[in-house]
Amino acid sequence: QKEVEQDPGPLSVPEGAIVSLNCTYSNSAFQYFMWYRQYSRKGPELLMYTYSSGNKEDGRFTAQVDKSSKYISLFIRDSQPSDSATYLCAMRGAGGTSYGKLTFGQGTILTVHP
Amino acid sequence: DGGITQSPKYLFRKEGQNVTLSCEQNLNHDAMYWYRQDPGQGLRLIYYSQIVNDFQKGDIAEGYSVSREKKESFPLTVTSAQKNPTAFYLCASSRSNSQETQYFGPGTRLLVL
Repeated sequence: QKEVEQDPGPLSVPEGAIVSLNCTYSNSAFQYFMWYRQYSRKGPELLMYTYSSGNKEDGRFTAQVDKSSKYISLFIRDSQPSDSATYLCAMRGAGGTSYGKLTFGQGTILTVHP
Repeated sequence: DGGITQSPKYLFRKEGQNVTLSCEQNLNHDAMYWYRQDPGQGLRLIYYSQIVNDFQKGDIAEGYSVSREKKESFPLTVTSAQKNPTAFYLCASSRSNSQETQYFGPGTRLLVL
């Protein structure tokens, strides 16, 4: 079983829809949670960064972390065609032997059609 | 203009050949990383370096080698021992603080002839 599981999709939604992207994980030592967006043939860019459980909002994007369920989500409101990309969740522990080591999900391919 | 640059954008390797991928950053970051991305598998860590002249193996280091002679540079060599090198290679960097997250370069696509 992989440490981080992410539904690879593909996910196709109409413009203006609310998108929900999810990851589950098995390692209870994970403390820091990230969402990256990756356009085709480009490097990933950091979208959201959260620590421990709770919600974080940034414009149309909301990241949720539920450590008790080992479950993280990214919500995109009023989705736009420019949101079409692969979304990667990533997480890591608090330091020590897990220093700097990110564990990634497989990525979800999202297409928002006009 | 601060960032991470990777070159070349595309690289072709012949059987039995070693090839080197370049990664340079001008963000003054101490830590640098190399990942490999294959379809449907996310990113997997090859090597990372927290400081100049020091580096550690990641999850899939076999068939790869690195050096860290300068803070700004972290080249990756894909050796002939790597039997399945076709992939998208991503370099990343971060500040030394373990709470800092990683920022990625644009990637190099390696193809085998």
